[in-house]
Amino acid sequence: DQQVKQNSPSLSVQEGRISILNCDYTNSMFDYFLWYKKYPAEGPTFLISISSIKDKNEDGRFTVFLNKSAKHLSLHIVPSQPGDSAVYFCAASAANSGYALNFGKGTSLLVTP
Amino acid sequence: DSGVTQTPKHLITATGQRVTLRCSPRSGDLSVYWYQQSLDQGLQFLIQYYNGEERAKGNILERFSAQQFPDLHSELNLSSLELGDSALYFCASSVAALSGWGYTFGSGTRLTVV
Repeated sequence: DQQVKQNSPSLSVQEGRISILNCDYTNSMFDYFLWYKKYPAEGPTFLISISSIKDKNEDGRFTVFLNKSAKHLSLHIVPSQPGDSAVYFCAASAANSGYALNFGKGTSLLVTP
Repeated sequence: DSGVTQTPKHLITATGQRVTLRCSPRSGDLSVYWYQQSLDQGLQFLIQYYNGEERAKGNILERFSAQQFPDLHSELNLSSLELGDSALYFCASSVAALSGWGYTFGSGTRLTVV
């Protein structure tokens, strides 16, 4: 049962524009949410996170928004750059399951010049 | 280089065989996690070890087992392999036992079962 869902397998955005990647979750016990970025032939690398007590976290060009009532989070990348082209995984964890990360299936972002 | 080392990078084996995947965590990290990424799935959590002890278990099959040794490296053993076990297997490490954010992933082992 997929508790974290990324319903868009792919997204194409022009360089300089905003990229918005979406993620939905079903488990109300999740209290920590993360985004990972993955290039081919590499492991995922941590990008940004947010705890359930916040609704927004910003780090440079990357902002994560959390809407707990809708069980939805999103990652905004502004402005998008060609180097941002990668697969982005949304992940969530809960204290009652030892904080093991539950991942979505990923969204492949292509930023075109 | 993330500091998490996984060997081998690629492995091709036949159905019914047994293989061992190895992971050396980042220096100072006590927790090791194993994840499986199949073609049509996201990263599925298999198992976590902390300082030699099993800490959490996910969707790990009974044919699979893991352990963490005193030097903190970990091995994932996959036996009676089936075609469906073909996947990327990632190891990650973190400092703490409960750490939803401090994961560092290795570059993975690609297992192909033929």
